[in-house]
Amino acid sequence: GAGVSQTPSNKVTEKGKYVELRCDPISGHTALYWYRQSLGQGPEFLIYFQGTGAADDSGLPNDRFFAVRPEGSVSTLKIQRTERGDSAVYLCASSLAGQLNNEQFFGPGTRLTVL
Amino acid sequence: AQSVSQHNHHVILSEAASLELGCNYSYGGTVNLFWYVQYPGQHLQLLLKYFSGDPLVKGIKGFEAEFIKSKFSFNLRKPSVQWSDTAEYFCAVSRTSGGYNKLIFGAGTRLAVHP
Repeated sequence: GAGVSQTPSNKVTEKGKYVELRCDPISGHTALYWYRQSLGQGPEFLIYFQGTGAADDSGLPNDRFFAVRPEGSVSTLKIQRTERGDSAVYLCASSLAGQLNNEQFFGPGTRLTVL
Repeated sequence: AQSVSQHNHHVILSEAASLELGCNYSYGGTVNLFWYVQYPGQHLQLLLKYFSGDPLVKGIKGFEAEFIKSKFSFNLRKPSVQWSDTAEYFCAVSRTSGGYNKLIFGAGTRLAVHP
């Protein structure tokens, strides 16, 4: 596809379960970002990948959150022992490279609900 | 810590009215500034951006924004809104020192335009 895609679009899970959220960036985009948007708030930065490596993971809330991008394309955000406070829309964005003048293109998000 | 404040959470206008959405940020260094828009049911998309140069920037769909460094502001304007401008608008900032766009978003402003 032409844009950033994210799967699943919705995920409902129970407290304590493990979830994986997937992001397919635009082909050729080496920079990938994850954000989290809680109800009534703007997106909050989680992690930035340049290629395969996490160049900045300062936004991950705690060690239950982890993200990978093993081949420099698709990325997976993993959340262990989910809590109700993890409920949010998780957004992925990609850009041609990490440089400042490159626009980030956002995906539709995954709405995570933890019961 | 860096933060972005959007003064209005909800704005209601009639078609043809003028629009100004306020945005202030707290960071003393050099920043890049952005306005994103999210139309109902759609992804976040870039409306306009400021990196350097002319502090009055023009974006898509007749929107413009003015960077006033002394006021740490980047207000969004449109002289005459249309019903199709109904959306949520987010102001965002990134620090140039990082070399990549780690976006810090405001909480957003929901704009409703009535015919």
